[in-house]
Amino acid sequence: SQQGEEDPQALSIQEGENATMNCSYKTSINNLQWYRQNSGRGLVHLILIRSNEREKHSGRLRVTLDTSKKSSSLLITASRAADTASYFCAYNQAGTALIFGKGTTLSVSS
Amino acid sequence: ETGVTQSPTHLIKTRGQQVTLRCSSQSGHNTVSWYQQALGQGPQFIFQYYREEENGRGNFPPRFSGLQFPNYSSELNVNALELDDSALYLCASSAGTGGRDTIYFGEGSWLTVV
Repeated sequence: SQQGEEDPQALSIQEGENATMNCSYKTSINNLQWYRQNSGRGLVHLILIRSNEREKHSGRLRVTLDTSKKSSSLLITASRAADTASYFCAYNQAGTALIFGKGTTLSVSS
Repeated sequence: ETGVTQSPTHLIKTRGQQVTLRCSSQSGHNTVSWYQQALGQGPQFIFQYYREEENGRGNFPPRFSGLQFPNYSSELNVNALELDDSALYLCASSAGTGGRDTIYFGEGSWLTVV
């Protein structure tokens, strides 16, 4: 299967703590995108990182990409209750489809 | 707000019926893709349309079909509905094909087949 994999599947933390989610994939990629999904709703785009980039920041989010290990990580710093959601990585080869993993479910309690 | 709008938001159909889901892409985006997301799973690619032509297809049977219109809006049609078709259907748009652009998703259409 070409499906990506996120790790851990579930993560529970307290407000103010950092949350780290990892993603692994199996093929060469053009880019990798991270999305957030609140329960029962659509996907919100967070960050796109290209295959020639190693790190990107957006507000409290930091994404890294290691193409030699075929892995990426998403770090959310100083988490808030509103960050409670499922997080997905999705990657694209040269083709048309985004390939998703099963996601990491993050729960942030106050 | 992604600029990708989908309708309807929720619908219930009976097994064997047909359904049409609609999507308006973000302004300036000529590429629309459809994904199926079963409960507890990641989205699965159904197909993509670029300038009114199908430009790629995932592992879905022919009873899943689509259209893209000159204004780049799109429809997903599913015939002979099965219980396993119950899922969230997501539309996504981007400015081009080839996988180099940010892909934006709508809020989805929840389909329940009974």
